[in-house]
Amino acid sequence: ELKVEQNPLFLSMQEGKNYTIYCNYSTTSDRLYWYRQDPGKSLESLFVLLSNGAVKQEGRLMASLDTKARLSTLHITAAVHDLSATYFCAVDLSGANNLFFGTGTRLTVIP
Amino acid sequence: EPEVTQTPSHQVTQMGQEVILRCVPISNHLYFYWYRQILGQKVEFLVSFYNNEISEKSEIFDDQFSVERPDGSNFTLKIRSTKLEDSAMYFCASSEARPLWGYTFGSGTRLTVV
Repeated sequence: ELKVEQNPLFLSMQEGKNYTIYCNYSTTSDRLYWYRQDPGKSLESLFVLLSNGAVKQEGRLMASLDTKARLSTLHITAAVHDLSATYFCAVDLSGANNLFFGTGTRLTVIP
Repeated sequence: EPEVTQTPSHQVTQMGQEVILRCVPISNHLYFYWYRQILGQKVEFLVSFYNNEISEKSEIFDDQFSVERPDGSNFTLKIRSTKLEDSAMYFCASSEARPLWGYTFGSGTRLTVV
């Protein structure tokens, strides 16, 4: 069974600081997704990473994918309070069209 | 921007009752999904649907669950006899055949079984 693990599970950081969330997965996949979820809300798509070495950036967030290491990172630069949310990575198996989600990282940015 | 619409946003039902959760996927998407999220936990895959049939399902999706696309726009999840542990947020999602742009999730239906 595909396992997707994120760390840390909880992250409290001060505004202006940088940090990285890690997502490890247990089997071959060439597609990885990052989602943001605000409390009680739906899942907002942040990034779709489709190949080894893919790097995408949007604002203060940057995501990368290393398919050989089965690792994706979500890097936060100069955090602001608005980034407080839970971040999920998700993987789909090659040839399948369903997502396996990570455990989520609850980020709190403190002013 | 196209979106996936789910109704109702919140449903309370008594244990043992049947519920139907409704979804309108994005019109040009071909794959439809249901996921659930128990409060405070990760999102879990239930079922995917393509070409009017189930393409994959998880262990969670047992005989109490069924899905249907009754017309050209709606996609429904039925739980035949609800249990307390079915209480969760249920998300519908849709995607193109090869989701290069990701999966689009609806706003969810919070199901509370009492």
